[in-house]
Parts: sequence; structure tokens; C-alpha cells
Amino acid sequence: ETGVTQTPRHLVMGMTNKKSLKCEQHLGHNAMYWYKQSAKKPLELMFVYNFKEQTENNSVPSRFSPECPNSSHLFLHLHTLQPEDSALYLCASSQRGPNKHTQYFGPGTRLTVL
Amino acid sequence: AQKITQTQPGMFVQEKEAVTLDCTYDTSDPSYGLFWYKQPSSGEMIFLIYQGSYDQQNATEGRYSLNFQKARKSANLVISASQLGDSAMYFCAMREGAGGGSNYKLTFGKGTLLTVNP
Repeated sequence: ETGVTQTPRHLVMGMTNKKSLKCEQHLGHNAMYWYKQSAKKPLELMFVYNFKEQTENNSVPSRFSPECPNSSHLFLHLHTLQPEDSALYLCASSQRGPNKHTQYFGPGTRLTVL
Repeated sequence: AQKITQTQPGMFVQEKEAVTLDCTYDTSDPSYGLFWYKQPSSGEMIFLIYQGSYDQQNATEGRYSLNFQKARKSANLVISASQLGDSAMYFCAMREGAGGGSNYKLTFGKGTLLTVNP
């Protein structure tokens, strides 16, 4: 596997379900990100992890719970979601430090909440 | 005020022609970075090109070039010799600050949907 991978690619869940999204980066980066992309809205940054430590929580509701066990893996645990949480969830990684900070994205998980 | 503005919701171009996608930005930080990403219908955000605020030359990557006009705060993406596979959403993004410490966040524009016609 190369780059950033995400599973599952598609997820349909009810409002009472509990599910998890998984992201893995194979780039040797030390920062990982979760973004939400809703229709007709710019990308919204949700969480940032730097060396496994959460450094940003962008006022995300507690029904979204991130977990970063190591610098290569990132999870987003979902519970009691609302229909308005239906969106494309993108994971990204970057190498923190001077200069570019280019973020490389995974293919996303398209989530539908019924 | 929006930090990244992409005024073209949609653009059409004929195959093999060049197209310019507009992006203007707003920041008071003297050090910043500008990025362009491509998002096909499959969803993945693909990094295309980067321009740093102190870079003297306009960035180029293959058929992509960035027309950086610092005084006008614009960072337009130019795609030369368009191909059918270029049809996608294109996003401009900005990182404010030099990139050290907590200066890692990207702010994205709303995107431009490019359609390449055969």
C-alpha cells in the first residue's frame, strides 16, 4: 500500500449505530488530520494529531471521537450521529516542520446517516 | 472575510486548450503557502502544486503552473493542454505562517468545477 488509505470507502449507518473510520498513512509523516466535506461547503478541519497527540479539535461534537494509536494510524469513532453528519470524511497526513507542510489525502469515506 | 475566494463555480474548456482557474487570498501574515488540489468524482484530494510567499519564481509542475501575483493576492492555476481526465473539482488552499509550531492548518476555498469537452 502506498500513500494514505481509508476504510471503508462507503458507510451507511443508522442514528443509533456505532461505527469507526480507519485511516493509515504509508508516507512516514508525523501529523494526521480529519476533514469533513459536506455538499456545497468548503472542507472543514475536524481534528489534528501531531506525533499521536491531539493538537486541534475544531469544536467538533462529542459524537465524533478520534483516536491516534501511533503516527501511522488514525481512527474516527462515530456514535449517535445525525442525518446532517452525512458527508465525505477525508483523512490527510503531512510532515510537520518548516516549508511546505503539504497535506496528502486519502480517498475518503462517504458516510450516509439514515 | 473569506480567506480564500474562488469566484468561478464552474468552468468549461475544450480539450488541448489552456485554462486558468482563479484564486484570491487574504492574509496579513508575511509568510504563507498556497496549494492547489484536484478532486475527481471519486473523492480523493490530489495535491497539484505549491507556492511559498517568498518564492521568487512561479511554481510549475508538468502541465500545471501557478500565476502568483503577490501584490494582488492572487494565485491562479493554469492548466495547459487540457485533457479529458482533468475534469474535476479544483480547490485552492492557504497555510498561514512559516509552517513551524502550530502553523499547519489549511484553509480551503469552495472550489471550481472544471469540465473538459472533447
